[in-house]
Amino acid sequence: DTGVSQDPRHKITKRGQNVTFRCDPISEHNRLYWYRQTLGQGPEFLTYFQNEAQLEKSRLLSDRFSAERPKGSFSTLEIQRTEQGDSAMYLCASSLTSGGNEQFFGPGTRLTVL
Amino acid sequence: AQTVTQSQPEMSVQEAETVTLSCTYDTSESDYYLFWYKQPPSRQMILVIRQEAYKQQNATENRFSVNFQKAAKSFSLKISDSQLGDAAMYFCAYRGYGQNFVFGPGTRLSVLP
Repeated sequence: DTGVSQDPRHKITKRGQNVTFRCDPISEHNRLYWYRQTLGQGPEFLTYFQNEAQLEKSRLLSDRFSAERPKGSFSTLEIQRTEQGDSAMYLCASSLTSGGNEQFFGPGTRLTVL
Repeated sequence: AQTVTQSQPEMSVQEAETVTLSCTYDTSESDYYLFWYKQPPSRQMILVIRQEAYKQQNATENRFSVNFQKAAKSFSLKISDSQLGDAAMYFCAYRGYGQNFVFGPGTRLSVLP
């Protein structure tokens, strides 16, 4: 297993465009998390899945953001009508279910909205 | 809601010396987990050490150890014999039972040769 992977690693888009990111978790991990990280800050929780079910979504998350994990394996995060404030690193992490299990992070997708 | 605070935005340490990074958290739960993650420049975040709140014994991983004070809601990280490769952002994180992770704002550690 090569760990958590994310694609693309970098995305530059113009304001108003839609973007979609993909995350492939570690294969036996049933939990998958999305975070947003801005420069010099800690990861900010966006949403997480247990298998294909989206169990929690941050109240701070705009309706322009949507995430799916259709078969309980890979996940996609879509941002519609991007704004300059969406520029950030988008991190994906996966873990086993029980509380003490660590999250394994992917390399992130850096989004720049012009 | 749980919060995690790291009061030291930046720290520096001389190579081979010891440094302690601070973390405090706020929760009403009695059972939870605490983590320290390391994020080197332009690299993936990796776990450094974890602590279960029900364990009184402080966790240790080689040169890394924690001082967990449950009553004070404090969870500091001590790095002994600091190495150049320890230079990174360090994030303290909290996870309650069945909940998502809450991260602190991070401490940037510089290691001076």
